[in-house]
Amino acid sequence: DAGITQSPRYKITETGRQVTLMCHQTWSHSYMFWYRQDLGHGLRLIYYSAAADITDKGEVPDGYVVSRSKTENFPLTLESATRSQTSVYFCASSELGRETQYFGPGTRLLVL
Amino acid sequence: AQSVTQLGSHVSVSEGALVLLRCNYSSSVPPYLFWYVQYPNQGLQLLLKYTSAATLVKGINGFEAEFKKSETSFHLTKPSAHMSDAAEYFCAVTGGGNDMRFGAGTRLTVKP
Repeated sequence: DAGITQSPRYKITETGRQVTLMCHQTWSHSYMFWYRQDLGHGLRLIYYSAAADITDKGEVPDGYVVSRSKTENFPLTLESATRSQTSVYFCASSELGRETQYFGPGTRLLVL
Repeated sequence: AQSVTQLGSHVSVSEGALVLLRCNYSSSVPPYLFWYVQYPNQGLQLLLKYTSAATLVKGINGFEAEFKKSETSFHLTKPSAHMSDAAEYFCAVTGGGNDMRFGAGTRLTVKP
């Protein structure tokens, strides 16, 4: 029972590089979400997806791109990383949009 | 859009004392409300949720929360704190849409 996994767990990159964070869930949940966690801000929604090939912006989508070609995967791409994107990124999934979300262990990203 | 405010970024209690973590919400539609807990270097885990059934909700590890519409509050309580309760706690709300909004978090410290 793997649940929801994220890779890599830790990543160091440089300003301007492209970075992709992976998220995989084994529950066949319809909804998947990406959040960033920063001190003093709690979790802020970047993007979410209601189903394969359906994505929508959250609170802080600028500088990020998502795709969802398969129900179980929801990768997040930083097209040109900036220092302000240094954060901890969490992926989550839920069966229904308003309902309980189940979180992955997070990816710590440092942009130098 | 819906939002939550957690009063107090840090709360410190003695072991065996009452734990009270405060959360106020704003939502234009009947909300679903959640409390999550985050232990160091981990993702968020659901403690309990309110989805318009009973106003007093019991969760895991002896925690409970009461939905008070008149006060727009959903405070989290536990009668007797344990050392293992030390963690960060997040209140969250979903309104009519699919996006969940989180509070900034409250870090709970338990003193021996």
